[in-house]
Amino acid sequence: ILNVEQSPQSLHVQEGDSTNFTCSFPSSNFYALHWYRWETAKSPEALFVMTLNGDEKKKGRISATLNTKEGYSYLYIKGSQPEDSATYLCAQAGNNAGNMLTFGGGTRLMVKP
Amino acid sequence: KAGVTQTPRYLIKTRGQQVTLSCSPISGHRSVSWYQQTPGQGLQFLFEYFSETQRNKGNFPGRFSGRQFSNSRSEMNVSTLELGDSALYLCASRWTSGGNYEQYFGPGTRLTVT
Repeated sequence: ILNVEQSPQSLHVQEGDSTNFTCSFPSSNFYALHWYRWETAKSPEALFVMTLNGDEKKKGRISATLNTKEGYSYLYIKGSQPEDSATYLCAQAGNNAGNMLTFGGGTRLMVKP
Repeated sequence: KAGVTQTPRYLIKTRGQQVTLSCSPISGHRSVSWYQQTPGQGLQFLFEYFSETQRNKGNFPGRFSGRQFSNSRSEMNVSTLELGDSALYLCASRWTSGGNYEQYFGPGTRLTVT
């Protein structure tokens, strides 16, 4: 059973601040790491799927890095906006088919205007 | 392209009853996974179906079951409901079972067991 942890649990920032949070996962038998954004009353939305050590992915103001050797991934948001307020979830794939995701508890981000 | 749809969106059942939830994946997607979200446990993987076959199963009791139809629509069933089954049930689809592809989630079914 995989143990995926995220920190911090919650984060309050001002509009315009840049922020980052961490996802820690077991580094052995690594297959893939997913990031999702989950806004209240909406469906989780995929941000990134990362597979290779050293991977860096970017989508607009959001980027992520992956270190499979030490078992962590960082998600960065540059110049946070109120619409970035959401829970950010990471999940590790449990097999080489890339599914059976084990999710972390999430980081709840609140951006104040 | 229409997203993943789930029905019903809300459901109230009594302990001991059974319930069936439905998920229609994005057109062309053949893999459907189910997840349970509770405040204490977060999002937990229940099972995955691909081409009408269960491919993977999470650590849930046998009261939780599912199936997939030839049009890729999936249902999950929970028998002999317990209070602890109260949760948000999400399904997610992707076009294939293998490969590191993102999953597309539906809005969920909120089940309350009284």
